[in-house]
Order: sequence, then C-alpha cells, then structure tokens
Amino acid sequence: QSLLTQPPSASGTPGQRVTISCSGSSSNIENKYVYWYQQVPGTAPKLLIYRSNLRPSGVPDRFSGSKSGTSASLAISGLRSEDEADYYCAAWDDSLSGRVFGGGTKLTVL
Amino acid sequence: EVQVVESGGGLVQPGGSLRLSCEASGFSISDHYMDWVRQAPGKGLEWVGRARNKPNSLTTDYAASVKDRFTISRDDSRNSLYLQMNSLRTEDTAVYYCARNAEHYYYGLDVWGQGTTVTVSS
Repeated sequence: QSLLTQPPSASGTPGQRVTISCSGSSSNIENKYVYWYQQVPGTAPKLLIYRSNLRPSGVPDRFSGSKSGTSASLAISGLRSEDEADYYCAAWDDSLSGRVFGGGTKLTVL
Repeated sequence: EVQVVESGGGLVQPGGSLRLSCEASGFSISDHYMDWVRQAPGKGLEWVGRARNKPNSLTTDYAASVKDRFTISRDDSRNSLYLQMNSLRTEDTAVYYCARNAEHYYYGLDVWGQGTTVTVSS
C-alpha cells in the first residue's frame, strides 16, 4: 500500500480536461515537492511535472500540476489520444527517508 | 545524446545474488544523484534507492523492502552506477530502471534507461 493514493483509473474524450489526484500526508506532499511521471506501457517513465507545478522543457503546457496541503493534482487539458498512459505522482517522504510513488492512474482516452 | 543503459538482469534462484549495472553517456554521473526504481510485472513504480554524489558525501538511501539486502555503488571513473542484490526473493522480480536526478528539476528523475529485467524463481 503506497503512502501516496491515486485513483486507479481515469478517462476522457479528446479535447476534454481531466484531473488526476494524489493524496499524501504531512511527511511527504505537504512539505515536499511533488513530481508527476507519465509512462506509456512498455516504455520508461518520463518526467512530466517537477516542483509540484513546473514543466520540464519539451512538456506541452496542456499538462499542469498543483498542490494544496496534503494533496496534489495533475490536470491535462485538450486531451489527445497520445496522452493515454499511466501517470504516477511522487514525493520525498521524511518519515521513510525515501522517495515514494503513488500507485498510478491509468488514463484512457475514449 | 544523454542516456543511461542498464544491464545485468536475468533469472536467479531465491536466495541468490545479482549485480546490475547502469552506464551513463552524454553526462557525468559525478554531477548527479542517481536512483534505482523498479516495476514488478503489471504493477506500479517502486523506488529502490539513491546514491548521492561526492560533494554530498556519496551517501545512499534505500527503501525498507531492500535495505540490508541491496547495495548501490558508483564508479565515477567508469561513469557507471551499480546495484548489488543479495538474498533475492520472488517479490524482487521486476524491471529495474536506473534514473538521473536533475538538480535543475529539483531532483526529479529526468533521464531513465530502458530497464533490465530480473526474475527470481526456482
């Protein structure tokens, strides 16, 4: 059982906006940066969001991150078929002295 | 091209040992913290551990599930990271990824290898 809780699945139609939540605690999300990774099945994960709300170079601005208290969210606007993937939140956890990942959310583009 | 390439995976019996390697190119691992992350079949990502670089005392951190069984080391002269895995269990079966921590991305993992598969089975 991960310390970061994500819904197992999410879905949307092309052009829609979807959000994926990530719930943690004071030992991780509340006082640490949140990261989001995208993983297309069969490939390595890709950094999508860092420092809770910033995008690495090359990541489209359709992807945005936010954080409030012990929860974080990833929003994807203008949904496209190529966004179909697994999405993971992550943060450092002070109580474990380690990085923790959420269980992952499988996004389906209908 | 900036990349990391893992190797050394394979089939090993429970209780056995295996050493994974991660060779970097296009950058110097001496400038970076480096992580190992694994993914069991059909499951999510699980952090294994991290090796800090020399300016940060070369210290390591491990997930509780692997602590005292796995050891991360680095050879900056070979631009390589290693994961020594001892006392392997069936639940260690996974694809193991090596990943670079990017300080400019607040230690997000910005470069990942393709992974190497470890299967622990009798």
